[in-house]
Amino acid sequence: ETGVTQTPRHLVMGMTNKKSLKCEQHLGHNAMYWYKQSAKKPLELMFVYSLEERVENNSVPSRFSPECPNSSHLFLHLHTLQPEDSALYLCASSQDATGFYEQYFGPGTRLTVT
Amino acid sequence: GDSVTQMEGPVTLSEEAFLTINCTYTATGYPSLFWYVQYPGEGLQLLLKATKADDKGSNKGFEATYRKETTSFHLEKGSVQVSDSAVYFCALTNAGNNRKLIWGLGTSLAVNP
Repeated sequence: ETGVTQTPRHLVMGMTNKKSLKCEQHLGHNAMYWYKQSAKKPLELMFVYSLEERVENNSVPSRFSPECPNSSHLFLHLHTLQPEDSALYLCASSQDATGFYEQYFGPGTRLTVT
Repeated sequence: GDSVTQMEGPVTLSEEAFLTINCTYTATGYPSLFWYVQYPGEGLQLLLKATKADDKGSNKGFEATYRKETTSFHLEKGSVQVSDSAVYFCALTNAGNNRKLIWGLGTSLAVNP
């Protein structure tokens, strides 16, 4: 595997379910990101991790819970979601979180909340 | 705050047509400007960038010039191919906002054979 991978690629969940999204980067980067991509809206930065430490949390509801156990893996734990949370969730990584380095994106997880 | 505005799509062209996707920005200071591309079923990829005024970014036949006087970074390609069908995003980073990527809404391009 190369680059940034995300699993699952598609997920349908009910509002009472608990699920997790997984991201893995094979680039040796130290920063990882979660974004939400919704139709007709700009990409929304949700969380930023640098060396496994959360450095940014952009007013994301607590029903989204990130976890970064090491610099190669990032999870987004989901519980009691709302239909408006349906979107494409993108993971990205970069050499560091300063903003000087290019971000590399995974293919995303298409989430549908029913 | 900083913002990016790009032309609404979808844009539909025939193969070998000339492409322009307009992008303008609002930012203080001297932002860096980017074009990202998202092919169907894939994540975003950096297409090109420019970090100072009058710089021209180029890649895969695409070009964009950083115009500070018009606060623009329009994407152009002289002859599009079917394989260029994708969504194109204009974005900026700025030291004043900790270099977070600020995104446009994206412009969908469909190229017909």
